[in-house]
Amino acid sequence: EAGVTQFPSHSVIEKGQTVTLRCDPISGHDNLYWYRRVMGKEIKFLLHFVKESKQDESGMPNNRFLAERTGGTYSTLKVQPAELEDSGVYFCASSLDLRDEKLFFGSGTQLSVL
Amino acid sequence: GQQLNQSPQSMFIQEGEDVSMNCTSSSIFNTWLWYKQDPGEGPVLLIALYKAGELTSNGRLTAQFGITRKDSFLNISASIPSDVGIYFCAGRATGTYKYIFGTGTRLKVLA
Repeated sequence: EAGVTQFPSHSVIEKGQTVTLRCDPISGHDNLYWYRRVMGKEIKFLLHFVKESKQDESGMPNNRFLAERTGGTYSTLKVQPAELEDSGVYFCASSLDLRDEKLFFGSGTQLSVL
Repeated sequence: GQQLNQSPQSMFIQEGEDVSMNCTSSSIFNTWLWYKQDPGEGPVLLIALYKAGELTSNGRLTAQFGITRKDSFLNISASIPSDVGIYFCAGRATGTYKYIFGTGTRLKVLA
């Protein structure tokens, strides 16, 4: 069974550009989470999907960030326009359902905004 | 907001020694998860805890869900070089399905 996959693994963009990150959760997992780790700090929650619905987006930094999960399968996280402080590692995680709380992570996307 | 304090921040130990790290929360948690992250990889789930007082092992790793429901501990026995990495705790508070992460414990094992 494939794990959580994220694309791209690395992205280097200039300030003001747009970047779209993609996450494919484990097949059949209803729950999908986005997290971000900045400069060796803690892993911070961004948002949580249950199937295609946004359950909790309280961690989204501002309206430059847009997450979607059309059809309840893969998800995208778009940053537009990117700022320097958006640099960090963006992780996606999935879990089967709200009763099975084991959260499985992808390898992350390292985003560098120059 | 909810905060998770994880300690120690870093540890340098000799191969074969035991290691302990812990996380404390300002809120009551329903679930604790412990992860290990290697460079360039995502966090890998080590142990999941669901009940206050629960003690669970995974090989040389043992974790406990504190009885106050505000803390958790991870112990590694007889450390080996491949234990090197960053260990994170994560918890879920009542009434929410988001997991809050600790700041991590960076472990280095000297052979």
